[in-house]
Amino acid sequence: AQTVTQSQPEMSVQEAETVTLSCTYDTSESDYYLFWYKQPPSRQMILVIRQEAYKQQNATENRFSVNFQKAAKSFSLKISDSQLGDAAMYFCALIQGAQKLVFGQGTRLTINP
Amino acid sequence: DSGVTQTPKHLITATGQRVTLRCSPRSGDLSVYWYQQSLDQGLQFLIQYYNGEERAKGNILERFSAQQFPDLHSELNLSSLELGDSALYFCASSPSDRGRSYGYTFGSGTRLTVV
Repeated sequence: AQTVTQSQPEMSVQEAETVTLSCTYDTSESDYYLFWYKQPPSRQMILVIRQEAYKQQNATENRFSVNFQKAAKSFSLKISDSQLGDAAMYFCALIQGAQKLVFGQGTRLTINP
Repeated sequence: DSGVTQTPKHLITATGQRVTLRCSPRSGDLSVYWYQQSLDQGLQFLIQYYNGEERAKGNILERFSAQQFPDLHSELNLSSLELGDSALYFCASSPSDRGRSYGYTFGSGTRLTVV
């Protein structure tokens, strides 16, 4: 079975600073994909970034980047130059094989002006 | 606009009642997934349909059922509603062969409140 764990229920950061959200996962497959989704107060689920397990290079999308440690089964999200609009729930998620997208419990990120 | 349309956005109903939630997937997507998100919780997978056929079931109660129609829209039926069914219900869609690697596209959800 695939599981995703986010150990930080809440995080806060000063505007313009950098913050890292943690995620660990468990999977029996060697071929899988990892995602970070953002859920702002509007409740819309927005894909932030994705990572293929077979790629060693960490994915980046503008101010968002990941630190993918395959052996440790760790997939953290780094947000640089935090902005007020980054305030949201962030969910780590995993797909392996033909299984469905499985989510962690989420981390609520607060941006302090 | 993600391209996945869910209606209604909000629904308030009484215990014991039955409701239907509707989802139109993004154009070209054949797979539809339903998820339930209770207050401040993660998303729990309920059920998947692919091109009209049920493909996978998750933690879906027997009181709940779903179907996908020939035009690919999907409906989630919730019956004998209980207070604990109050949640945000998401529909998501993916292309037939790339959902696994590109993730799902989510609708904006239906907020169900059972009173």
